[in-house]
Amino acid sequence: EAQVTQNPRYLITVTGKKLTVTCSQNMNHEYMSWYRQDPGLGLRQIYYSMNVEVTDKGDVPEGYKVSRKEKRNFPLILESPSPNQTSLYFCASSAHRGAGELFFGEGSRLTVL
Amino acid sequence: LAKTTQPISMDSYEGQEVNITCSHNNIATNDYITWYQQFPSQGPRFIIQGYKTKVTNEVASLFIPADRKSSTLSLPRVSLSDTAVYYCLVGDNSPKAAGNKLTFGGGTRVLVKP
Repeated sequence: EAQVTQNPRYLITVTGKKLTVTCSQNMNHEYMSWYRQDPGLGLRQIYYSMNVEVTDKGDVPEGYKVSRKEKRNFPLILESPSPNQTSLYFCASSAHRGAGELFFGEGSRLTVL
Repeated sequence: LAKTTQPISMDSYEGQEVNITCSHNNIATNDYITWYQQFPSQGPRFIIQGYKTKVTNEVASLFIPADRKSSTLSLPRVSLSDTAVYYCLVGDNSPKAAGNKLTFGGGTRVLVKP
């Protein structure tokens, strides 16, 4: 089954404690991206990757890092989480660049205390 | 990047047709228009994509006028399970374009009532 898998799905952590949210896709897609979703603000792109070792900033990259060492994986790293990073995070992948067809993961709800 | 504007919310009733219009006044020549559906606590799901005129699939139709400055997603005969948030997204699909920055709008919350 074609899917994008994120882990963890839920996490409560404390300010400053480094964490990584993993994302893996099994569709051999070149394009992957991370989004955060906050009430009233819709989906905002954090980072995207166009292939292995090719990453770039989206609209809200501050406080986040990413890496793309393998085609299937695109982890999101919060080096020093802060409460304003409390959000619902989505990873997505696609075979082509642009607006469609993005495949999204089920989301990771992160709370930073 | 083309900015999109959608109504915040819409109410409808089962069996009715729902039309959601998205404005994208500064759409570029190579931009495609894509719509996604999102249920609570789930990731968005692709519904339909188009470039111009009309596109129809098994779940929806997408109408795009000649000037492409807006688009309308049409959901025929909605049911309670169509209650969701619908996002319009405009982006350049061409392989030669630089980057892959995508900006979602705020989405339209559709509530289907019995």
